[in-house]
Amino acid sequence: NAGVIQTPRHKVTGKGQEATLWCEPISGHSAVFWYRQTIVQGLEFLTYFRNQAPIDDSGMPKERFSAQMPNQSHSTLKIQSTQPQDSAVYLCASSGGQNTLYFGAGTRLSVL
Amino acid sequence: GQQVQQSPASLVLQEGENAELQCNFSTSLNSMQWFYQRPEGSLVSLFYNPSGTKQSGRLTSTTVIKERRSSLHISSSQITDSGTYLCAIGRTGNYKYVFGAGTRLKVIA
Repeated sequence: NAGVIQTPRHKVTGKGQEATLWCEPISGHSAVFWYRQTIVQGLEFLTYFRNQAPIDDSGMPKERFSAQMPNQSHSTLKIQSTQPQDSAVYLCASSGGQNTLYFGAGTRLSVL
Repeated sequence: GQQVQQSPASLVLQEGENAELQCNFSTSLNSMQWFYQRPEGSLVSLFYNPSGTKQSGRLTSTTVIKERRSSLHISSSQITDSGTYLCAIGRTGNYKYVFGAGTRLKVIA
């Protein structure tokens, strides 16, 4: 069991560029979550999928953020026209229904 | 206002000392978890404990729903316990957990 895999570990983009973050959940887990962590805001919920269907995206900034789960083995978080305030660690987690979240190592996004 | 408050914000222990970390929440909940975040950033679930007491090795979690609080007790602390301890609350089946700001623990020799 490799755990939740997130790629890349670090990403640097210029202001206005697009960033795509990848997450591979634990095999067999039906739920996938995206969180964002900054020093100022702490850990914030963004969105989650269950059985690949989007369930709750109430934490997503509406205009430039989107998330997809095209198959059970990966999810993507896309940020268009990145801004410096998007700099954060983006964490993906999966759950097999036991109410326990298993987090990946995160992707550190730096927008210059 | 902030839904989840953790105290203390930071703590320094001598190796071997015990610690009690607190998590207070302002809303009713069904789900409650304690996480450990390693210094390099990875998060590990320690306990899913919406009520009662659970123990794992040197760690004990106690949640009292009606008092809207949970505690994490670390006994005989070790240097490798250093990191950030986060509590998170939510509703059963709703994984939109709200996280506290964390307690930063440093254990020194």
